[in-house]
Amino acid sequence: GQNIDQPTEMTATEGAIVQINCTYQTSGFNGLFWYQQHAGEAPTFLSYNVLDGLEEKGRFSSFLSRSKGYSYLLLKELQMKDSASYLCAVSNSNSGYALNFGKGTSLLVTP
Amino acid sequence: DTAVSQTPKYLVTQMGNDKSIKCEQNLGHDTMYWYKQDSKKFLKIMFSYNNKELIINETVPNRFSPKSPDKAHLNLHINSLELGDSAVYFCASSQEFGRGTYGYTFGSGTRLTVV
Repeated sequence: GQNIDQPTEMTATEGAIVQINCTYQTSGFNGLFWYQQHAGEAPTFLSYNVLDGLEEKGRFSSFLSRSKGYSYLLLKELQMKDSASYLCAVSNSNSGYALNFGKGTSLLVTP
Repeated sequence: DTAVSQTPKYLVTQMGNDKSIKCEQNLGHDTMYWYKQDSKKFLKIMFSYNNKELIINETVPNRFSPKSPDKAHLNLHINSLELGDSAVYFCASSQEFGRGTYGYTFGSGTRLTVV
């Protein structure tokens, strides 16, 4: 099995930077993913990390430390439309490479 | 449009009924999945198929039976529906298998309400 922990809720101000942390415990680690899910919609892929370090993609960046079992998603220049749930998910070879999701972090961006 | 499409989008039914949810992907992906998202928004895997073969079968009541007639389709049949089955069910597909996955494409979800 594996434990994936992330904060339940966060609030940040439009234009600011927010960091959403995720810790995990797993064997056979094969990658960590971040997804965004707006209310009533399907999750959409944001980022993938399999090696240590930072992956940058526009306003969003994701970091991974495999030795610490730790990742974060960094959102810069927050916009109101970034209000959504952010899901951390881990792939491991022991469960057929399927993604196991954390419970998600609900981010509210305020004016 | 290339996508993962699932039908119906909404399903309201009475306890004890049998229902099916259909899923089709035209992305040429090898692997398909069913996930259940409960009222607390926790997304939990139920089944995974790779090229029509069952790969993952999590602890799911045997009232739930997936069927994959070909690698582009993965349907979910549920017998004797219970109140606790109410949730949003997501179908997803991915290209890579065995060498790791490079992200899923999700269907738009089926909101099942059992009354």
